[in-house]
Amino acid sequence: EAQVTQNPRYLITVTGKKLTVTCSQNMNHEYMSWYRQDPGLGLRQIYYSMNVEVTDKGDVPEGYKVSRKEKRNFPLILESPSPNQTSLYFCASSLTQGVGNSPLHFGNGTRLTVT
Amino acid sequence: EDKVVQSPLSLVVHEGDTVTLNCSYEVTNFRSLLWYKQEKKAPTFLFMLTSSGIEKKSGRLSSILDKKELFSILNITATQTGDSAVYLCAVFSGYALNFGKGTSLLVTP
Repeated sequence: EAQVTQNPRYLITVTGKKLTVTCSQNMNHEYMSWYRQDPGLGLRQIYYSMNVEVTDKGDVPEGYKVSRKEKRNFPLILESPSPNQTSLYFCASSLTQGVGNSPLHFGNGTRLTVT
Repeated sequence: EDKVVQSPLSLVVHEGDTVTLNCSYEVTNFRSLLWYKQEKKAPTFLFMLTSSGIEKKSGRLSSILDKKELFSILNITATQTGDSAVYLCAVFSGYALNFGKGTSLLVTP
């Protein structure tokens, strides 16, 4: 089944403890992206990747890192999480590098709480 | 700065009503406009529009894009309680997909 898989689905952690949220897609998509969703602010893009080894900042990249060493995986790393990073996170992927020509497919989300 | 604005923010209708959701945008390098439906989970894709004036239709849902006036509408006819959700509009500009804040639709029996 074609899908975008995120893990974990729920995560509660403490301030400053490094964490990684994994994202994997099995559709051979070139484009991958991370979003966070907060009440009243909607979905905001954190980072995106056009292809392997190519990543770029979105609207809210501060406090996050990403890597794209393989086409299928695009982990989101929080080196030192803070309470303002408590949010619902979505990973998404799209078929082509010519983004805008194919829709984004979303993972099921990771609800992160930082205390 | 790219902007995607949806209206109304929320809407309550009775089953069987027809609703129109609006999305206006100001972006550089427009590539496409997308509509998503989000229930209590990940957004699911509804439509992608790239050309002006061409209606996309799927069952009771339809959407059209006006690239001159920079807006799109999503119509839902004969609404059902299962249509209750947040509807998100997003615009691809450059290599980023910018989302509006969504319209929350509640369809009551």
